Amino acid sequence: GAVVSQHPSRVICKSGTSVKIECRSLDFQATTMFWYRQFPKQSLMLMATSNEGSKATYEQGVEKDKFLINHASLTLSTLTVTSAHPEDSSFYICSARLDRGQEQYFGPGTRLTVT
Amino acid sequence: AQSVTQPDIHITVSEGASLELRCNYSYGATPYLFWYVQSPGQGLQLLLKYFSGDTLVQGIKGFEAEFKRSQSSFNLRKPSVHWSDAAEYFCAVGAPTGYSTLTFGKGTMLLVSP
Repeated sequence: GAVVSQHPSRVICKSGTSVKIECRSLDFQATTMFWYRQFPKQSLMLMATSNEGSKATYEQGVEKDKFLINHASLTLSTLTVTSAHPEDSSFYICSARLDRGQEQYFGPGTRLTVT
Repeated sequence: AQSVTQPDIHITVSEGASLELRCNYSYGATPYLFWYVQSPGQGLQLLLKYFSGDTLVQGIKGFEAEFKRSQSSFNLRKPSVHWSDAAEYFCAVGAPTGYSTLTFGKGTMLLVSP
């Protein structure tokens, strides 16, 4: 149990366009989802915390207008990278947490390449 | 603020040998502690977690970790490493409130030699 999926697994887009990444909890309801960014050979950097039905909480230094997060249901959160630039190229990982406890279940990640 | 230190960037272990990956944390009280494993291009998989109770925690894939409060450590161990264990390992801490975020260490890359 506790499976989290992400779609797409990899995407290539042109500079200036927007890209949407979906994160779904397949077999449980997640009141909280998290979005991370991971640079090559580095750790995960938390970008934002997303609670169902409310606005996301962004970490310091993360542009909320550039990285739009929507958590419309208990099983779906989306990250939209707006007006993407090559420096936005990265590995984006989402996770979902059950209602209580600290355990987060991670998606397989999305590789974004902006050309 | 909480922080996690994984002092070893990478470690090479012979197949069949034992493994210990180090993790030290900084937190005002006893946090929730986790070990995750990441294969190349993949997400993270939870190996084990410590919330309270027995300080020796058993996880999946034959891994275990021991919480040592006096040393602020949560080292990961495996008695006999398999080639499929080669991956990146992340230690993480979270506040014991049930709803806070996780802080990850920088990770340790495990290489397994034949």
